Amino acid sequence: QKEVEQDPGPLSVPEGAIVSLNCTYSNSAFQYFMWYRQYSRKGPELLMYTYSSGNKEDGRFTAQVDKSSKYISLFIRDSQPSDSATYLCAIGGSARQLTFGSGTQLTVLP
Amino acid sequence: GAGVSQSPRYKVTKRGQDVALRCDPISGHVSLYWYRQALGQGPEFLTYFNYEAQQDKSGLPNDRFSAERPEGSISTLTIQRTEQRDSAMYRCASSLVISGSSRDEQFFGPGTRLTVL
Repeated sequence: QKEVEQDPGPLSVPEGAIVSLNCTYSNSAFQYFMWYRQYSRKGPELLMYTYSSGNKEDGRFTAQVDKSSKYISLFIRDSQPSDSATYLCAIGGSARQLTFGSGTQLTVLP
Repeated sequence: GAGVSQSPRYKVTKRGQDVALRCDPISGHVSLYWYRQALGQGPEFLTYFNYEAQQDKSGLPNDRFSAERPEGSISTLTIQRTEQRDSAMYRCASSLVISGSSRDEQFFGPGTRLTVL
């Protein structure tokens, strides 16, 4: 079993839809939870970073962490074609090397 | 300002050759990380440095892989006697603060695509 499991894609939604992306993890020592966005042929870029259970909102993006269930989510409201990318969850322990999910490829159709 | 840069962007080599991949972190960034990313997968941790000190090399696949950061800035990942299974995207990331501190977001470079024939 992988330490971080991410819902496989690809995911295709119409413009304006709410998108839900999810990951589960197995190691309760993980403390830091991140979502990265990766456009084709580019490096991952950090979208959201949180330490604690609960919700964190930034514009159209909301990151949700449930440590008791070892489950994290990223919600995208009013999705736009420019949101089309691969979304990677990443989880860090005390030493901060990140363990990534395999990524979910999202396409938002105009 | 400039982001993380990596060179070369593409490297094609023959099996058995040594390769050196370079990472130039964001100026002033203390921590530097190396990852390997297979197609359709997330990055996989290889090793990281705080300043010039290598803190963890547990992710290096075997002893053909090594990394250094002698002056606490530019880092080189070296793969000796390359094999076809080494073909992948190699990514570098840097963070402003020391690993383990709060707010140590990692900023990724564009990667080096290594192909071993």
